[in-house]
Amino acid sequence: GDSVTQMEGPVTLSEEAFLTINCTYTATGYPSLFWYVQYPGEGLQLLLKATKADDKGSNKGFEATYRKETTSFHLEKGSVQVSDSAVYFCSLNGGSQGNLIFGKGTKLSVKP
Amino acid sequence: DAGVIQSPRHEVTEMGQEVTLRCKPISGHDYLFWYRQTMMRGLELLIYFNNNVPIDDSGMPEDRFSAKMPNASFSTLKIQPSEPRDSAVYFCASRGTAYESYNEQFFGPGTRLTVL
Repeated sequence: GDSVTQMEGPVTLSEEAFLTINCTYTATGYPSLFWYVQYPGEGLQLLLKATKADDKGSNKGFEATYRKETTSFHLEKGSVQVSDSAVYFCSLNGGSQGNLIFGKGTKLSVKP
Repeated sequence: DAGVIQSPRHEVTEMGQEVTLRCKPISGHDYLFWYRQTMMRGLELLIYFNNNVPIDDSGMPEDRFSAKMPNASFSTLKIQPSEPRDSAVYFCASRGTAYESYNEQFFGPGTRLTVL
C-alpha cells in the first residue's frame, strides 16, 4: 500500500542554519504531496503542497519539490528561526477516497 | 470561518468511565477524520466519514471505540469503557471535495485525554 517515510528526529539546529528534512514515498498513481506542521499544543496545519511532478511548494521560507523520479519531497529552509521549532509531517493522499497518509513526523528544535 | 472545533480541549477521567469527544467540521466540508496521536505510535487515523457515512474504520482500535456523524455539522468519538492506554491527543479534521482541495485537511486543536 501507499506509504511515507521521513527522517527520524529529533533535529536540533542553531538559528539561521540550513534545514533539510527528507521524505520519500511509495504510491500507485500520481498522489498530491503535503508538508504539515504542528506547533506545540496545537493541531496540524498545512505548510505547503505540490500536486504534480516537478511542482515546487513554498510557504514561510520553506520549500519542497515533487520529484517523481526519486519519489521524494524533501523539505528545505535556508535559514531557520526559533519560531520554526515544531513537528513536521510529510504526507500524501492515498486511496480512491483521498484520505491522507502521514509519515511519523520529525521534531525540529531551533536554538538561539 | 471558525475552523474545526473540538470539545472538550482537555478531559481527565477514571478508568472504566465513558468518554465522548465532539467535533464540528468546517461548514461545507464533506469529509471528516478522527486521529489519535501518542508519543509511541505517532499519528493514527481511526475512522473517516464522507457525507456522514463511515468509509473506513479499520483504524479503530477495538469495540470500546465508536464514532458517529448524525449530521454534516457534528461528529462524536466515544470510548466506553475507557482505559489508561487510551490516553492521547485526539484530533478531528475535515476537508472539502478532492477536486477543489487536493485533499488538504484542516485540523482542530485536539482533545487531550487522560485516563487515570
